[in-house]
Amino acid sequence: QKEVEQDPGPLSVPEGAIVSLNCTYSNSAFQYFMWYRQYSRKGPELLMYTYSSGNKEDGRFTAQVDKSSKYISLFIRDSQPSDSATYLCAMNPNDYKLSFGAGTTVTVRA
Amino acid sequence: KAGVTQTPRYLIKTRGQQVTLSCSPISGHRSVSWYQQTPGQGLQFLFEYFSETQRNKGNFPGRFSGRQFSNSRSEMNVSTLELGDSALYLCASSHRGATYEQYFGPGTRLTVT
Repeated sequence: QKEVEQDPGPLSVPEGAIVSLNCTYSNSAFQYFMWYRQYSRKGPELLMYTYSSGNKEDGRFTAQVDKSSKYISLFIRDSQPSDSATYLCAMNPNDYKLSFGAGTTVTVRA
Repeated sequence: KAGVTQTPRYLIKTRGQQVTLSCSPISGHRSVSWYQQTPGQGLQFLFEYFSETQRNKGNFPGRFSGRQFSNSRSEMNVSTLELGDSALYLCASSHRGATYEQYFGPGTRLTVT
């Protein structure tokens, strides 16, 4: 079993819809939870990170962490075609490395 | 501030050869991490360097090695290339090794034939 599980999708939504992405994990030692966006043939771009449990909002993006359930989510409001990308969750098992989910491919249809 | 740069962007090599990839971190960042990304395995951690010292290494064979220079620039080397080494190799930098604020470069696409 992988440390971080993420449904690879693909996920297709109409423009303006809310995109809901999630990951589950098994290592209770994870402290920081990150979301990256990766466009085709580009490197991952850090969207936001959350420490421990709770919510964090940044513009149209909201990240949620529930450590009791070992479950994290990313919501994208008012989705745009430019949000079409692969979204990766990541967590830190120690100070030096990240463990990534497989990534979810999202397509926002105009 | 310039982002993480990686050279070359694309590379084609033959089995058995070796390859060296280069990474220049964001100015002021002293930690550099390397990851391998493949469709089957996703993003996997290779190693991390801070102030020229390797602090952590992932589960890759000894054919994969790296180093960091005094100006924080880093190189990784893969010897005796295998077909399975075909991947996107990503470099990420952070200020003091904070994994929650790693910034990635565009990657080097390595194809082994």
